[in-house]
Amino acid sequence: QKEVEQNSGPLSVPEGAIASLNCTYSDRGSQSFFWYRQYSGKSPELIMFIYSNGDKEDGRFTAQLNKASQYVSLLIRDSQPSDSATYLCAVNEGRTGNQFYFGTGTSLTVIP
Amino acid sequence: EPEVTQTPSHQVTQMGQEVILRCVPISNHLYFYWYRQILGQKVEFLVSFYNNEISEKSEIFDDQFSVERPDGSNFTLKIRSTKLEDSAMYFCASTLGTHNQPQHFGDGTRLSIL
Repeated sequence: QKEVEQNSGPLSVPEGAIASLNCTYSDRGSQSFFWYRQYSGKSPELIMFIYSNGDKEDGRFTAQLNKASQYVSLLIRDSQPSDSATYLCAVNEGRTGNQFYFGTGTSLTVIP
Repeated sequence: EPEVTQTPSHQVTQMGQEVILRCVPISNHLYFYWYRQILGQKVEFLVSFYNNEISEKSEIFDDQFSVERPDGSNFTLKIRSTKLEDSAMYFCASTLGTHNQPQHFGDGTRLSIL
């Protein structure tokens, strides 16, 4: 089984700061990369997805992908207390690419 | 906004019993998934399903597990003879297309094995 690694944290940032979350993956064949947010006791909620090298921005969120380094990151600008959650990185794998592996998640706390 | 619906929200079952978890994916979605998350651990892929057959499955998805789309709207996960270690949150997800489409998750079913 291939691996998806995340720093479990906890990561604490003050309100208004930039939070940087990182993820590495082991399968060079992976093509699709997702960031989910999960509040305690709730289901994962999609934040961003990225397929091509480079940056992808959506509001306060920017996903960055570097396939050569097998690295994907999520930047959250102007962090808000409501951003406090666990952030999950997910990567596709498998013969059809239709198998998905999640990292253990990074716990983010935004301090007011 | 369309949602993935899972029932029941909580299922309590005696060890050794069969359990069926139910999901109604978003209506025009074509790919369906089951995941589990043991308390405090990561989300684990179980199986993906497309065109009425399993597309991929993980090592966790052994012979005690099966999936079915019995009527064109429901997508079920059956665990034949439950074990204590099957206690977890089970999430269903669906996508419109294949791996490059974002998955929409249901709220999950908490399965407790006694």
